[in-house]
Amino acid sequence: AQSVAQPEDQVNVAEGNPLTVKCTYSVSGNPYLFWYVQYPNRGLQFLLKYITGDNLVKGSYGFEAEFNKSQTSFHLKKPSALVSDSALYFCAVRDRDQAGTALIFGKGTTLSVSS
Amino acid sequence: SQTIHQWPATLVQPVGSPLSLECTVEGTSNPNLYWYRQAAGRGLQLLFYSVGIGQISSEVPQNLSASRPQDRQFILSSKKLLLSDSGFYLCAWSGNSGRYEQYFGPGTRLTVT
Repeated sequence: AQSVAQPEDQVNVAEGNPLTVKCTYSVSGNPYLFWYVQYPNRGLQFLLKYITGDNLVKGSYGFEAEFNKSQTSFHLKKPSALVSDSALYFCAVRDRDQAGTALIFGKGTTLSVSS
Repeated sequence: SQTIHQWPATLVQPVGSPLSLECTVEGTSNPNLYWYRQAAGRGLQLLFYSVGIGQISSEVPQNLSASRPQDRQFILSSKKLLLSDSGFYLCAWSGNSGRYEQYFGPGTRLTVT
């Protein structure tokens, strides 16, 4: 069965510091991996994806994520956090070798960036 | 470019009343469509998805149903709402050509009283 774990309910960082939001996954085959961001009372916005190729993926708003197959992780990173990055972040996975089209989402991590 | 619309944005309904939430997508053809529910601002629960007109897959047995009467229209319904149906309902679409990210609408906040 597919699953996604976001081990931290909340991450707190100071503005200007690097940030990391953790994600680990479990699929029986090879994964497609995604990060989304959600601001209060809004829909989810797509940030970036890993499909194949380079393990370091760059996305919107200066975010990037690194796919690590041996550790089954896909951590979201940003070199310098902004207060406006404060939001709820979701990691999602899909097994590329399985039929069906649904993504499996983690429970979300709240990022709080202080000024 | 593609856009996804949901309405209404907010809804307050009494227990036992019917429900109809609508989602439409513009700028793409034959999308896959999804309904999610998000409780308490946290995890997403996939309710239904559709790969084509009239084709609905239900992920969780519940008080809700979904229909896809047109290619880019997805409707979430209930005949009698329960208190437990309260939540934030999100519609999403994805292409079926191999790009597997989903794009979400703005959501509907449903409060059942």
